Amino acid sequence: QSVLTQPPSVSGAPGQRVTISCTGSSSNIGAGYNVHWYQHLPGTAPKLLIYGNNNRPSGVPDRFSGSKSGTSAALAITGLQAEDEADYYCQSYGGSLSGYVFGPGTKVTVL
Amino acid sequence: QLQLQESGPGLVKPSETLSLTCTVSGGFISSSSYYWGWIRQPPGKGLEWIGTVYYNGVTSYYSPSLKSRITVSVDTSKNQFSLKLSSVTAADTAVYYCARQVTTADAFDIWGQGTMVTVSS
Repeated sequence: QSVLTQPPSVSGAPGQRVTISCTGSSSNIGAGYNVHWYQHLPGTAPKLLIYGNNNRPSGVPDRFSGSKSGTSAALAITGLQAEDEADYYCQSYGGSLSGYVFGPGTKVTVL
Repeated sequence: QLQLQESGPGLVKPSETLSLTCTVSGGFISSSSYYWGWIRQPPGKGLEWIGTVYYNGVTSYYSPSLKSRITVSVDTSKNQFSLKLSSVTAADTAVYYCARQVTTADAFDIWGQGTMVTVSS
């Protein structure tokens, strides 16, 4: 069981906005540690989408945005496209008891 | 452009040691700005962090749940880092990824393609 919680799936029509939540605790996200987000298509390498809570690496479209508040974080995808259909993972740090932790992943389906 | 490539046996017998190597190309492993890490994904499950090492080989961090069985090492002369996981069971069957980890942000910014390792007799 992950110490971070994500919804198993979210879906939306092309062009819509979807959000994925990542809920932690005072031991990880709430302790002030950064939250990062990855996009993972089966059979490929995971891709860093958001780092440091709300920063996009070069080349990542501005349709992707991240936020953090308290013990939770969220990834928003606006203008949903078919190519966005993938698994999305949040990641943070849980201190020496947990180390680096990933959420269980959320599957995004474009209807 | 920096690239990472995992290599090692695709099949390991139960109770034996899983050994994987990650070769870094297009850049140097001996950079003070990065750590080097291993992450795995069992079939049908999510990502799990295994361990992280600094280029000096002295600074390392391991998953508490795997710590007793893990060794992560660095060979700067070959621009490689390696993972050894001892006493494997079927639960260690997974796709294993190596990745570069930014020291200032802790994010894994560049990943290898992954290699499937099956534990079976």
